Amino acid sequence: GESVGLHLPTLSVQEGDNSIINCAYSNSASDYFIWYKQESGKGPQFIIDIRSNMDKRQGQRVTVLLNKTVKHLSLQIAATQPGDSAVYFCAERTGGGNKLTFGTGTQLKVEL
Amino acid sequence: NAGVTQTPKFRVLKTGQSMTLLCAQDMNHEYMYWYRQDPGMGLRLIHYSVGEGTTAKGEVPDGYNVSRLKKQNFLLGLESAAPSQTSVYFCASSYQLLLEAFFGQGTRLTVV
Repeated sequence: GESVGLHLPTLSVQEGDNSIINCAYSNSASDYFIWYKQESGKGPQFIIDIRSNMDKRQGQRVTVLLNKTVKHLSLQIAATQPGDSAVYFCAERTGGGNKLTFGTGTQLKVEL
Repeated sequence: NAGVTQTPKFRVLKTGQSMTLLCAQDMNHEYMYWYRQDPGMGLRLIHYSVGEGTTAKGEVPDGYNVSRLKKQNFLLGLESAAPSQTSVYFCASSYQLLLEAFFGQGTRLTVV
């Protein structure tokens, strides 16, 4: 079956360093991938997305990389700040565009 | 900018009681969703709506009902609450089906 998961449940980084959060997926038919950020006590917040016909997409301080060969997705955050501390999770769209499967998330902790 | 507003934020129910969770969005989005979030699991779609007057089942619809009488509102009902429905519920809305959704702050529901 399909699955979306994360390699590391908790990631600790120093302020100013770059963060890399990973996500594995198993459905090769997935056509769209999304990263969300969820701060404690709040709802998920859209960060960035990428279509399956792309391998890289950049936003403000964030980059998403997609490796379809190994079914791997990563979120890179440049110059990590205390405000980046949150749970990050990925989601993949399948089912011809009618299903979105969410991963369980990685807790990012930024140390001062 | 209100975005997506959910009420209430917290609620404790006794088994067998009923309640309605309210969701309102001011972004004129066609698509609205109700998700539940449980520890160690990704967000799971309960029901969704592709427009005013429409509803559809998601991944975990049993025990819930929804209504979308107005475009800006999406209601989630529990007719007879069960302890298994203890969860954090999120409402979301979007321009495109399942993509780039805006989430509310969540409702923490405990069924005892």
